[in-house]
Amino acid sequence: DQQVKQNSPSLSVQEGRISILNCDYTNSMFDYFLWYKKYPAEGPTFLISISSIKDKNEDGRFTVFLNKSAKHLSLHIVPSQPGDSAVYFCAATRYQGGKLIFGQGTELSVKP
Amino acid sequence: KAGVTQTPRYLIKTRGQQVTLSCSPISGHRSVSWYQQTPGQGLQFLFEYFSETQRNKGNFPGRFSGRQFSNSRSEMNVSTLELGDSALYLCASSLGGSFSQETQYFGPGTRLLVL
Repeated sequence: DQQVKQNSPSLSVQEGRISILNCDYTNSMFDYFLWYKKYPAEGPTFLISISSIKDKNEDGRFTVFLNKSAKHLSLHIVPSQPGDSAVYFCAATRYQGGKLIFGQGTELSVKP
Repeated sequence: KAGVTQTPRYLIKTRGQQVTLSCSPISGHRSVSWYQQTPGQGLQFLFEYFSETQRNKGNFPGRFSGRQFSNSRSEMNVSTLELGDSALYLCASSLGGSFSQETQYFGPGTRLLVL
């Protein structure tokens, strides 16, 4: 039972354009969401997070949007850069503690 | 400060064998979590150890086990290996609070191939 789903295995975007990565979750108990970025031969690194009390969180070129009623979150990268090419994982957990459940990942390729 | 280290980085085993993977967390971190990464399944949570006790567990069979030592180093063991156990095994460490309050830091992973 995949509680966190990233339905797009890959995404290709032109440099300078917007990248939108999507994530859906099924467990309504999740109230905290994170995005991680992974380069080949490295472990994932934390990118940005959002609590369910917010619907948007921004950090530089990265913005995460949360739609609780749709159980959907998205990561926007504007403008996209070739160095953003990586696998992006969304993850969900409960604010008070518990497991961190990851999606399958979306491989982003930003073309110069 | 040194990051999370995992040994070995690569491993080849045959079906039926067992394997032990090691993870050394960042100094001062008391929580260590283990994940299995496979294509199509993403990162799947195996278990989390905190102060030598298993605090959270994923949905993996009993062939997957772990432990944590008093210096917070952790080992993961897989017995009776199956072909489907071929994956990248990642460990991550944090201070020990909830994942919403602290950042987890991942190691580079151990690539296991089961033949």
